[in-house]
Amino acid sequence: AQKITQTQPGMFVQEKEAVTLDCTYDTSDQSYGLFWYKQPSSGEMIFLIYQGSYDEQNATEGRYSLNFQKARKSANLVISASQLGDSAMYFCAMREENRDDKIIFGKGTRLHILP
Amino acid sequence: AAGVIQSPRHLIKEKRETATLKCYPIPRHDTVYWYQQGPGQDPQFLISFYEKMQSDKGSIPDRFSAQQFSDYHSELNMSSLELGDSALYFCASSPRGEKKNTEAFFGQGTRLTVV
Repeated sequence: AQKITQTQPGMFVQEKEAVTLDCTYDTSDQSYGLFWYKQPSSGEMIFLIYQGSYDEQNATEGRYSLNFQKARKSANLVISASQLGDSAMYFCAMREENRDDKIIFGKGTRLHILP
Repeated sequence: AAGVIQSPRHLIKEKRETATLKCYPIPRHDTVYWYQQGPGQDPQFLISFYEKMQSDKGSIPDRFSAQQFSDYHSELNMSSLELGDSALYFCASSPRGEKKNTEAFFGQGTRLTVV
């Protein structure tokens, strides 16, 4: 079964609008971490934001925030005031602390910001 | 701030040749992960090391081997290369302890092309 599900293969958003990228996850562990990464066309994998399963507040990093809904097993990434440079592939990922250490990725969402 | 360093950035090999990819983790990060990302795919976990010992193993072919050295750098050795091994290979590093689940940074990747 897919551990990380990103249901939006691609999205087109007008510059300066806010964007929500969906991510749901599947785990029976109580302790886990959720990550979002940005991969531009140049290929590097850029860490954006992290949310721990025990964190009560939603994580924020500049224009990025993570809308964490634990009961729904949802960890959506919100990008405020989108910019042309936000055009990239975005991956949601999870690491289950009580299992092996590997980080598991979703299939990604390709975001296109329109001028 | 220091990041994860991978070398080489690009590598072209012929079928049946061998390749060695190197990864230098962020200082004080003692866990290293290797991932393979095919074109248009999400990163697939290959193998990880903690304190120079293999900690987890994913879908890594028997033709591949890896190790982590005393200075925490890691090498991925790939033998009998096949066309299907052409991909972007990422190394990531992560600390243990309190910050274990909060940080996982990726290198810029090595793009391997097998011809």
